[in-house]
Amino acid sequence: AQKITQTQPGMFVQEKEAVTLDCTYDTSDPSYGLFWYKQPSSGEMIFLIYQGSYDQQNATEGRYSLNFQKARKSANLVISASQLGDSAMYFCAMREGGANSKLTFGKGITLSVRP
Amino acid sequence: DTAVSQTPKYLVTQMGNDKSIKCEQNLGHDTMYWYKQDSKKFLKIMFSYNNKELIINETVPNRFSPKSPDKAHLNLHINSLELGDSAVYFCASSQDWRVGETQYFGPGTRLLVL
Repeated sequence: AQKITQTQPGMFVQEKEAVTLDCTYDTSDPSYGLFWYKQPSSGEMIFLIYQGSYDQQNATEGRYSLNFQKARKSANLVISASQLGDSAMYFCAMREGGANSKLTFGKGITLSVRP
Repeated sequence: DTAVSQTPKYLVTQMGNDKSIKCEQNLGHDTMYWYKQDSKKFLKIMFSYNNKELIINETVPNRFSPKSPDKAHLNLHINSLELGDSAVYFCASSQDWRVGETQYFGPGTRLLVL
């Protein structure tokens, strides 16, 4: 079964507006972590933000925030005040507890920021 | 002061050849990983080492052999390259194997098998 689901087709947003990228996950482990990574066209993987399953508050990092809804098993990334440089592919990933647990990635969402 | 570095960045080779990709991290991390990103951009873990010890070994052909000479280095050797091995290979590292530890990725090695 797919553990991370990113179903949105390519997303478009106007520069300076906010955008939400959806991610749902599936786990029965009470301890897990959720990550978002950005992959621009240059190809590198850039870590954006992390949310732990026991964290009481939604994570924020600059213009990035994570809308964590535990009961719905969703961890949507919100990018505020979009910039042209935000155009990239965005991956949601989850890691469950345990020494040999893996970071499992979703298939990614392409975001294009329009000037 | 690159955190996670990989060499080479590009690798073009013929089917049947043997090649190696090297990875080094200067973050003082204990855990390192190899990932494969296919043509559809899907990322999947291949191997993970913690303090030079193999802790994750996904179902990959045994033509792929990782080696960790010390905890700052994790190399990937591929024997008898096949067309399907063409992909981007990423090395990553994290402080340790715990669930909340962020993995930091290298720039990737783009492998093309002809």
